[in-house]
Amino acid sequence: AQSVTQLDSQVPVFEEAPVELRCNYSSSVSVYLFWYVQYPNQGLQLLLKYLSGSTLVKGINGFEAEFNKSQTSFHLRKPSVHISDTAEYFCAVSPGFSGGYNKLIFGAGTRLAVHP
Amino acid sequence: EPEVTQTPSHQVTQMGQEVILRCVPISNHLYFYWYRQILGQKVEFLVSFYNNEISEKSEIFDDQFSVERPDGSNFTLKIRSTKLEDSAMYFCASSPNPYEAGDYEQYFGPGTRLTVT
Repeated sequence: AQSVTQLDSQVPVFEEAPVELRCNYSSSVSVYLFWYVQYPNQGLQLLLKYLSGSTLVKGINGFEAEFNKSQTSFHLRKPSVHISDTAEYFCAVSPGFSGGYNKLIFGAGTRLAVHP
Repeated sequence: EPEVTQTPSHQVTQMGQEVILRCVPISNHLYFYWYRQILGQKVEFLVSFYNNEISEKSEIFDDQFSVERPDGSNFTLKIRSTKLEDSAMYFCASSPNPYEAGDYEQYFGPGTRLTVT
């Protein structure tokens, strides 16, 4: 079975500082990896995904993540955050598309709070 | 840009009552999902649906829950007899055929907040 651990429940950071949100997963099979963002009172929006190929993936809003198979990690980074990045960030894994479904398994989320 | 819509945005119901949460997935998508998020907790998979049948369901999705695609556009989640612990945000999601679209993304709706009193 797959599981996802987001190591930080909250990350406070000052505007224009870099940030890293950590995500580790466990799986006995190859997985697809995702980061979703949830702004207050809104649904989940995909930031980026890793399916295969280059281990460094770039997403929307200047975010990027690096897939590290040996460390089973998929940490999310941004070199300079804005106030508008304040949101909840969820790491998720999928065991892949098999049999007509593709469920996502989410981590507990990391609340990023950007301060002026 | 096409999006997944959900109605209502907020539903309040009394314990023991039936509720139906509605979703309109993106029109050319073939795979449909329900997830829930209890306040302060992680998003949890409930059920996936393809070709008019359930593909997979979680332990949470017991006999009190059912899903239906009644008319080719709506996708509904019914809770037959609600309990206090069913209070949560319920998200609908849809995805295209990855073998055609090369896209594994699930597109989420804004959610329905269900409050059981």
